[in-house]
Amino acid sequence: EAGVVQSPRYKIIEKKQPVAFWCNPISGHNTLYWYRQNLGQGPELLIRYENEEAVDDSQLPKDRFSAERLKGVDSTLKIQPAELGDSAVYLCASSLIPGHQETQYFGPGTRLLVL
Amino acid sequence: EDQVTQSPEALRLQEGESSSLNCSYTVSGLRGLFWYRQDPGKGPEFLFTLYSAGEEKEKERLKATLTKKESFLHITAPKPEDSATYLCAVHTSGSRLTFGEGTQLTVNP
Repeated sequence: EAGVVQSPRYKIIEKKQPVAFWCNPISGHNTLYWYRQNLGQGPELLIRYENEEAVDDSQLPKDRFSAERLKGVDSTLKIQPAELGDSAVYLCASSLIPGHQETQYFGPGTRLLVL
Repeated sequence: EDQVTQSPEALRLQEGESSSLNCSYTVSGLRGLFWYRQDPGKGPEFLFTLYSAGEEKEKERLKATLTKKESFLHITAPKPEDSATYLCAVHTSGSRLTFGEGTQLTVNP
């Protein structure tokens, strides 16, 4: 079974430029998560989708970050414009059903460097 | 506010030298505690889920235990391939995972 797929794996941009990350979850997983992981820290949730609906986006910086999951499968996370502090690893995860006991499976992440 | 603290930050062991990693937590209502392993340049890989105090889970050289305040990840006779960062996370409100900062384990041959 294929795992969570993310692209690109690496991205280097200059500040103020836009950037987008793509995620395809494990087949059949209805819940999708975007996390940000700074160097030496654990991942922090940005947004959670249940099917097409964003059910937890309280930690998404909405002035510059946006996300979509139009058909309830793959998802895109966008930053516009990027700032130096956005340099981090952006992780996508998915789980079969929503719920506190449901294991989240992570993709390899997109490593973003903003110059 | 939910808090997860892992210790030590870094641990260096010789091959075969057993040890334990600690994850202490302060949450309003624990619904599950997760251990993940993360290799450099990769996403976290799921290891265990623990739901209630007294529960234990094992996988190869790893054993996870849970009390009301903390969890331990015991590593028995580690090998160099066990070198990684080990992340602890708690499930609290909704489906949000709150992660600790991880313990970076290095096992020397």
